[in-house]
Amino acid sequence: KAGVTQTPRYLIKTRGQQVTLSCSPISGHRSVSWYQQTPGQGLQFLFEYFSETQRNKGNFPGRFSGRQFSNSRSEMNVSTLELGDSALYLCASSLQGRSSYEQYFGPGTRLTVT
Amino acid sequence: DQQVKQNSPSLSVQEGRISILNCDYTNSMFDYFLWYKKYPAEGPTFLISISSIKDKNEDGRFTVFLNKSAKHLSLHIVPSQPGDSAVYFCAARHGGSQGNLIFGKGTKLSVKP
Repeated sequence: KAGVTQTPRYLIKTRGQQVTLSCSPISGHRSVSWYQQTPGQGLQFLFEYFSETQRNKGNFPGRFSGRQFSNSRSEMNVSTLELGDSALYLCASSLQGRSSYEQYFGPGTRLTVT
Repeated sequence: DQQVKQNSPSLSVQEGRISILNCDYTNSMFDYFLWYKKYPAEGPTFLISISSIKDKNEDGRFTVFLNKSAKHLSLHIVPSQPGDSAVYFCAARHGGSQGNLIFGKGTKLSVKP
């Protein structure tokens, strides 16, 4: 069974631009969560989608948004990029109905904002 | 306000010895705890979990202990191997209506041959 895939793996953008990241969950998993990882901050929860609906949202500004498609694939978008948005963005999928229990992570997208 | 704390940013252990990674939490509503291992340039990999109704869960070389009264959990790795060198994250699930995981900042484990 294929794991969680994320594209692109690396991205360089300039301040003010916007970016869209993509995540394909493990087949059969309906819950997709997004996390931001920065040095010294661990993994910070962005949002979780289940059946195309956002069910949980972390404490991030409205510049961060996401969506989920009928095939459970998910995208997250960051508008008006800031230098502080440079991070590793991780997507995780879960078989459970809620964003909990065992989550399976993709390799991440490394975003660099210059 | 950090609800899941890993107070040791790093730990160095000799191969064959026991590695003990610690995690403290503040929210009594957490009902499920997980440990993840992360290598550089890879996503975190699920390692082991424990429900709040248990105090111990074992899987091969990995054992997780939960002390609810102290709001503390620990991961024991016995015996430690060089391939265990990675960053270990503790995570907790909030019961009730919210189900997202809350992660600690991680502990970097180095196992020396």
